[in-house]
Amino acid sequence: ETGVTQSPTHLIKTRGQQVTLRCSSQSGHNTVSWYQQALGQGPQFIFQYYREEENGRGNFPPRFSGLQFPNYSSELNVNALELDDSALYLCASSLDRSEGYTFGSGTRLTVV
Amino acid sequence: AQKVTQAQTEISVVEKEDVTLDCVYETRDTTYYLFWYKQPPSGELVFLIRRNSFDEQNEISGRYSWNFQKSTSSFNFTITASQVVDSAVYFCALGFLDTGNQFYFGTGTSLTVIP
Repeated sequence: ETGVTQSPTHLIKTRGQQVTLRCSSQSGHNTVSWYQQALGQGPQFIFQYYREEENGRGNFPPRFSGLQFPNYSSELNVNALELDDSALYLCASSLDRSEGYTFGSGTRLTVV
Repeated sequence: AQKVTQAQTEISVVEKEDVTLDCVYETRDTTYYLFWYKQPPSGELVFLIRRNSFDEQNEISGRYSWNFQKSTSSFNFTITASQVVDSAVYFCALGFLDTGNQFYFGTGTSLTVIP
C-alpha cells in the first residue's frame, strides 16, 4: 500500500457532537501526526503518535484525542464539537520520527 | 518562540515568468529543519524539500531552487519559468525532530500562474 489515506473526505456534524476521523498510514510507517488547517491558514500541529504512544502535543484541548493501532493506522477523536473546529484535518505518516512526512488529502469537517 | 512568516498572501504571475516565494523563520534552537510543501486544490500537502540548519547550500531541482540564509533567517523558494501546473498554495515550515516532530507552518502563499 502506498500513500496516506484519510476517511471520510468530508463530514458535517452538529455542535456538541463527537467525531472520529481515520487515517491509514503508508506501509511500514510507525509515526503519525495530525494537523488542523483552518481556512486560509497553515496547518496547526495537534499531536503525534509513535509506536502507539503519544509523542508530542500541540496547543489543543483534551477533547482532541487520538489512537494509533498496531497496524499503524490511527484515529483522531474530537468531543463536544465547536463551530471553530470546522477545518481540514490532515494526517501525516513517517517511517520514523527523524524522517520526512507523507500527508494525506485530509478530512474536511464542517460543524454547524 | 517558533514562528514562520510568509508575508506574501497571494501572487499572480504570467506563465514563463520567474517567481520567488519568501519565508522568514524564528527560532532559538540551533538544530532545526526547514521545509517547503505544495498544497494543490485537492488538499494534500506535497513535500518539496527539507533542509537542516547546518546545511546552507542552495539547492536546485529542475525549475525549483531554494536559497537558505541563516544570517537573515530566510528560506526562499524560486520557481523558474512558471507553469500553470505550479498554481497552488505553498507552505514553508519549521520542524524539530526531538520534540514530537512538531512542524510550525506559515500561513501560505497562494500562487496563480496565468496562461
